[in-house]
Amino acid sequence: AQKITQTQPGMFVQEKEAVTLDCTYDTSDQSYGLFWYKQPSSGEMIFLIYQGSYDEQNATEGRYSLNFQKARKSANLVISASQLGDSAMYFCAMRAGAGFQKLVFGTGTRLLVSP
Amino acid sequence: KAGVTQTPRYLIKTRGQQVTLSCSPISGHRSVSWYQQTPGQGLQFLFEYFSETQRNKGNFPGRFSGRQFSNSRSEMNVSTLELGDSALYLCASSILAGKQFFGPGTRLTVL
Repeated sequence: AQKITQTQPGMFVQEKEAVTLDCTYDTSDQSYGLFWYKQPSSGEMIFLIYQGSYDEQNATEGRYSLNFQKARKSANLVISASQLGDSAMYFCAMRAGAGFQKLVFGTGTRLLVSP
Repeated sequence: KAGVTQTPRYLIKTRGQQVTLSCSPISGHRSVSWYQQTPGQGLQFLFEYFSETQRNKGNFPGRFSGRQFSNSRSEMNVSTLELGDSALYLCASSILAGKQFFGPGTRLTVL
């Protein structure tokens, strides 16, 4: 079975600072994908970044980067230069196995960016 | 390209009724997945459809069902609603084995 653990219920950061949101995962599959999503209060899940298990380079998407440490089974999200609009819930998720579209989500981290 | 759309956005029903939610995927995406989000259980996978076939199902009772049409649009049905079915229902679409993109969700309240 697959499992995602997010140990930070809430995080606070000042505007323009960088913040790291933690995510560890557990799976016995060799092929899997790791995702980060942002969920503002409106409810929509916004795709941020994706890392495949065979990708050798850490994924980056603008201000978002994924610190992928396969041996430690961690996939932390780094947001550089935080903005007020980054305040939201952040979910780490995993898709395990080739051809499967089921995502397993963590419990989320609420990020609050202050001016 | 238009994103994933879900209708209706909000719904209020009473116990015992049934409800149908709709999801239109991104053009070209043939896989549609459904998730339920509640404060107590978090985000849970309901089922996934690809080419009109259910490929995977989560641990939900048979009152939850779905289907996919030839144009990849999907519907989800919940019969005999219970109070605990109150949730945000999210639909996601993807190209097979690709990134999943979510719609805005349907917020269902059961009274």
